[in-house]
Amino acid sequence: YELTQAHSVSVALGQTARINCVGNNIGSKIVHWYHQKPGQAPVLVIYRDNYRPSGIPERFSGSSSGNTATLTISRAQAGDEADYYCQVWASTTAVVFGGGTKLTVL
Amino acid sequence: VHLVESGGGLVQPGGSLRLSCAASGFTLSNTWMTWVRQAPGKGLEWVGRIKTKRDGGTADYAAPVKGRFSISRDDSKNTLYLQMHGLDTEDTAVYYCTTYYGDDDGWFDTWGQGILVTVSS
Repeated sequence: YELTQAHSVSVALGQTARINCVGNNIGSKIVHWYHQKPGQAPVLVIYRDNYRPSGIPERFSGSSSGNTATLTISRAQAGDEADYYCQVWASTTAVVFGGGTKLTVL
Repeated sequence: VHLVESGGGLVQPGGSLRLSCAASGFTLSNTWMTWVRQAPGKGLEWVGRIKTKRDGGTADYAAPVKGRFSISRDDSKNTLYLQMHGLDTEDTAVYYCTTYYGDDDGWFDTWGQGILVTVSS
């Protein structure tokens, strides 16, 4: 099972960024999202498709349908620049991560 | 919640290494734990997870490390371990321990700062 993400996405400051994660019938799976800033450990930003951990702003939301899961970041800020990874379980013993999308805020 | 990895370093191909992850701020015995790695300049790769003793204490592994790596836990010491044997240059990566929630469709909740393992002659 593979998850495909765009290598990079750019968004203007204050606008909405959408980061896609494409996988076969991903809408039937539970998707989680992480961001990772340079030199830092990843941080969970969305779990179970659309739940935010404490400390993650409401600007972050997730959705999933068909073959595409989407992480949406509203009112993008410079501090949102990071690599974003989607993640699912392909089987009970196989986690799959997307290749990551580098978000640039212009 | 705080996780601190240790034990990394340089090891020759074919060698062994044991990583430790010291846990604090939560009850380790109630928490499934995992290891995730990241090769230099690459994406994230799941290594394996271990369930709580209450849930059987069993571990699952990713195909590339199965049979070579072993995850264990010492809840009395609040420590998670990753024993690695038969190391290859492909195992060079930063290794993160994480808390894990959500049973079989779960997520990696809190991450340690990571520890670098370099496999090279």
